Amino acid sequence: DGGITQSPKYLFRKEGQNVTLSCEQNLNHDAMYWYRQDPGQGLRLIYYSQIVNDFQKGDIAEGYSVSREKKESFPLTVTSAQKNPTAFYLCASSIDRTGYEQYFGPGTRLTVT
Amino acid sequence: AQSVTQPDIHITVSEGASLELRCNYSYGATPYLFWYVQSPGQGLQLLLKYFSGDTLVQGIKGFEAEFKRSQSSFNLRKPSVHWSDAAEYFCAVGAGYSTLTFGKGTMLLVSP
Repeated sequence: DGGITQSPKYLFRKEGQNVTLSCEQNLNHDAMYWYRQDPGQGLRLIYYSQIVNDFQKGDIAEGYSVSREKKESFPLTVTSAQKNPTAFYLCASSIDRTGYEQYFGPGTRLTVT
Repeated sequence: AQSVTQPDIHITVSEGASLELRCNYSYGATPYLFWYVQSPGQGLQLLLKYFSGDTLVQGIKGFEAEFKRSQSSFNLRKPSVHWSDAAEYFCAVGAGYSTLTFGKGTMLLVSP
């Protein structure tokens, strides 16, 4: 089955540690996205990538980093510089660079204490 | 910059009753519009989309939405709600190249 996988479903880290969230898609989609979701805030764009080896900052990129070395993979690193990292993180992909029809993974809930 | 407003944070509907969720957008040209649904702790699922053409759009699970340019609205409707429709619903607009802007969501509660 084609789709987007995110692992793990739940992730716990101590404050001051970097943590990497995985996102893999086998849809052969060009573009991939990372969003952060907090209660009552909707989805906020962290980073996106339209092609391999290229990515752009979204609205809330500070404290995060990404890479896009393969078309199917777009990992997100939450660094210790992110002041409030506890959140639900969603990865999405779209078939082309317009990004107008995005498909989402199941999400990773990160808790930092 | 584009924006999306979902005026209702929560809505409660009786099972079998009709549903309308409101969405207003701000953008100077014709936008691309979407509705997504999210069950608790899950990712988002695309319900329907509007790109151009017929302003009444049919989606999955019996949902439809109507684009009204004069009101800058894209309201989601369903004639008869089922308990399984209880979820959070997000409206989104695509107006810049390659990104979507999401509203803050409306939580739908279905009462027996």
